[in-house]
Amino acid sequence: DIQMTQSPASLSASLEEIVTITCQASQDIGNWLAWYQQKPGKSPQLLIHSATSLADGIPSRFSGSRSGTQYSLKISRLQVEDTGIYYCLQRYSNPPTFGGGTKLELK
Amino acid sequence: QVTLKESGPGILQPSQTLSLTCTFSGFSLSTYGMGVGWIRQPSGKGLEWLANIWWDDDKYYNPSLKNRLTISKDTSNNQAFLKITNVDTADTATYYCARTHYYSGGFDYWGQGVMVTVSS
Repeated sequence: DIQMTQSPASLSASLEEIVTITCQASQDIGNWLAWYQQKPGKSPQLLIHSATSLADGIPSRFSGSRSGTQYSLKISRLQVEDTGIYYCLQRYSNPPTFGGGTKLELK
Repeated sequence: QVTLKESGPGILQPSQTLSLTCTFSGFSLSTYGMGVGWIRQPSGKGLEWLANIWWDDDKYYNPSLKNRLTISKDTSNNQAFLKITNVDTADTATYYCARTHYYSGGFDYWGQGVMVTVSS
């Protein structure tokens, strides 16, 4: 199975701050990487697909990038509504595997 | 508008079979490239993919549970199903179904989830 190592596990940041979350894949997954945000008691919401493509209706302050087998989610100016848990997902090969999650809180 | 909704028994006892139904609208599982997956999440923990079924009836299972999982679909009624045999307390979780596409990078629409508790 492909392992997705997500970091940090938790993060506290201030309003308007730039936030970056990373996922390291254990092998090449191309652009088969998605990012999700999950709020308490809710289902995950797709933010980014194909490593860098913004999902429909997602604010442009969210962006995804790739450098080799390292993938990053960047929030350019943190807003109150951005708190929650973020997950990456690789769908390059079966089984699809999620990162361990990053809990993002406001400082 | 794409929607998905899971339904299940709520509570069941160890060794029983868990049967879940995903009823969806806004897309068809007979459309080329379309798929539905099942993902679960124990309370306070991360996400675990379980199985996918595709428009052509191809099926993939998580190897860690493969012998216990059966995924199926009813295209006419816009439903997908998942059965998990011989459940135990480790299967207690919220179960989600989600839409995916063969050529996309993930699950784009998710159901609200259904909580399942395995307890004697």
